[in-house]
Order: sequence, then C-alpha cells, then structure tokens
Amino acid sequence: AQKVTQAQTEISVVEKEDVTLDCVYETRDTTYYLFWYKQPPSGELVFLIRRNSFDEQNEISGRYSWNFQKSTSSFNFTITASQVVDSAVYFCALSSPSGTYKYIFGTGTRLKVLA
Amino acid sequence: GAVVSQHPSRVICKSGTSVKIECRSLDFQATTMFWYRQFPKQSLMLMATSNEGSKATYEQGVEKDKFLINHASLTLSTLTVTSAHPEDSSFYICSARGLAGKYEQFFGPGTRLTVL
Repeated sequence: AQKVTQAQTEISVVEKEDVTLDCVYETRDTTYYLFWYKQPPSGELVFLIRRNSFDEQNEISGRYSWNFQKSTSSFNFTITASQVVDSAVYFCALSSPSGTYKYIFGTGTRLKVLA
Repeated sequence: GAVVSQHPSRVICKSGTSVKIECRSLDFQATTMFWYRQFPKQSLMLMATSNEGSKATYEQGVEKDKFLINHASLTLSTLTVTSAHPEDSSFYICSARGLAGKYEQFFGPGTRLTVL
C-alpha cells in the first residue's frame, strides 16, 4: 500500500528558530518520487522539491534543506532561521508505479512562525 | 515552464446552478489532468483523473454525474459542478502531467467555489 504520514498536525515556532517537518512514506516500489509543496493562505500549491528514490543526497536551497533516508523511509524538511513568511501548510507527496503515478498526499503540517 | 492556469479563481453561485471550471496547461501538452477537492484544514482529495480524448476515471465516492469532467484537448480540461449545493462549496485544484514525466504533476492555482 502507498501511504504518506505527516505526524505533525501543527507546529508553532518563534521567528529565527529552526524547524523540521517530518514525512514518512510507504511503498513497495523501488522507483518512486517524493515531493514537498507549500500552501500559503492564498491556496496555491508552491512546488519546493522533487526527489527520486535513487538519489539519497541531501539537498539545500537557501534556508531550506531536505534529508532523504531510505533506511527509515523518511523525507524530512528543515527550515533554518524561520521567518513569518514561512507560515503555511506544507504537504509531502509520493508518486509511484504501484499507485499508478497518482499523488499520495500526507495530511499536511501547518507551520506558524510567530514574530 | 510547466505552468497551469485555472479559471475562474473564485466563483459564487446560487444553489441549483451549474458551474464550469477550466484548467489549462499553458506551455506544455498535458496527457493527463487531475482534479482535486480540498476542504478547510484538510489535505487534497483526488476526485478524478482524465486523459485527453477519453472518459475520466473517478475515485470511489465521487459522483460522476455531479462532477462532469471533459478533457477535450491536450491543453484543456474542464470540471462542471452540476446543480451545485452548499455542500459543494470547496477549493478545487487541477493539475496536469506532461508527456515527459509520468511521476510529476504541475498544479493550477485553484478555484474557490461558494454555493449560496
């Protein structure tokens, strides 16, 4: 079965704190892709990153970084020195052959960054 | 690249009327388009998958006669909510998948439907 779990429903941090959003996935496929999206209050999904199952290198993009660990089936997202503009709902998603390449979304994590 | 637009961005209608939402891939050909529905504080729920020139495949529990989907060309899909009722009020998001990659979808900005 394909599944994505984002156990953190809501996180509140104070500006400039670092925060990590967890994503755990399940799939029997060896080839798959994982994604992170940001959904600000406007509603539009903003693409953050895609990662295929064969690339376990961590990635850093400015204040954002991602840690992909196949051994624990996790693809965690860290925001360093958080800012108020980071306040949004963040979704992790999985796309794989067994799921006919449909996205399996996690339930999302609402991040509130307080000034 | 890979831009998807939706129109309208917001619509308010009276109960009993039908509403059409358009989803367009602006700079690529979309072999497959997806329609999602999102209730407040919830995740996206896939409603249906449509392939150009063929009938849409609806997810379990989604009424196909209520939510009519047409994917007439490689750049346009439409969702028509027929005889809308207040419980159909929601945020509808479309996405498109191109010829180049089967794993990734590109999302439209969404349409907020309010049925009075």
